[in-house]
Amino acid sequence: DTGVSQDPRHKITKRGQNVTFRCDPISEHNRLYWYRQTLGQGPEFLTYFQNEAQLEKSRLLSDRFSAERPKGSFSTLEIQRTEQGDSAMYLCASSQTGDTDTQYFGPGTRLTVL
Amino acid sequence: ILNVEQSPQSLHVQEGDSTNFTCSFPSSNFYALHWYRWETAKSPEALFVMTLNGDEKKKGRISATLNTKEGYSYLYIKGSQPEDSATYLCASKPGGGNKLTFGTGTQLKVEL
Repeated sequence: DTGVSQDPRHKITKRGQNVTFRCDPISEHNRLYWYRQTLGQGPEFLTYFQNEAQLEKSRLLSDRFSAERPKGSFSTLEIQRTEQGDSAMYLCASSQTGDTDTQYFGPGTRLTVL
Repeated sequence: ILNVEQSPQSLHVQEGDSTNFTCSFPSSNFYALHWYRWETAKSPEALFVMTLNGDEKKKGRISATLNTKEGYSYLYIKGSQPEDSATYLCASKPGGGNKLTFGTGTQLKVEL
């Protein structure tokens, strides 16, 4: 399967713990995006990488959130000191620079903070 | 329109019915409109990317139209089947930007 993969698919944690999610994009794609979806809402943009450079961050991304893409391939999203409001589906997408720039999504990581 | 809005929020149809959904988006600084289908426990699947006013795209029984001047897009499903049951999301991409702004989706349930 050459699609976008995310790990883990589900994560349950206690408030105050740190969690890290991984995203493996489609191999030839230079752009990688993180989105978050909460109940009843559409996905909301968090951050975007072109190769290893983080080019844009949403105001939704508080200081407790950090994302990296160290070698321009896979990416990690870390949440420190999790809060119940962080419970959401975290989606990763990748794309190749082009006219349409279609973003291809992974299946997401469902985070539940108790 | 300041945000991306979709209607209806949910829809129940019978197998064989044709149906359509609406997506409204900001028409200023528009670059592209994306449609996705998202089935439970799967990845959102890209259906269409539309950029030109008056554009129409088709994929099997699903088609979409685009009006960039008034800021809306319609998604049509002809002869709905149970496997069409999913949430259909639209997302707007502005000129000069890379992030997608999504609507809240239309949840379609096709019953036998």
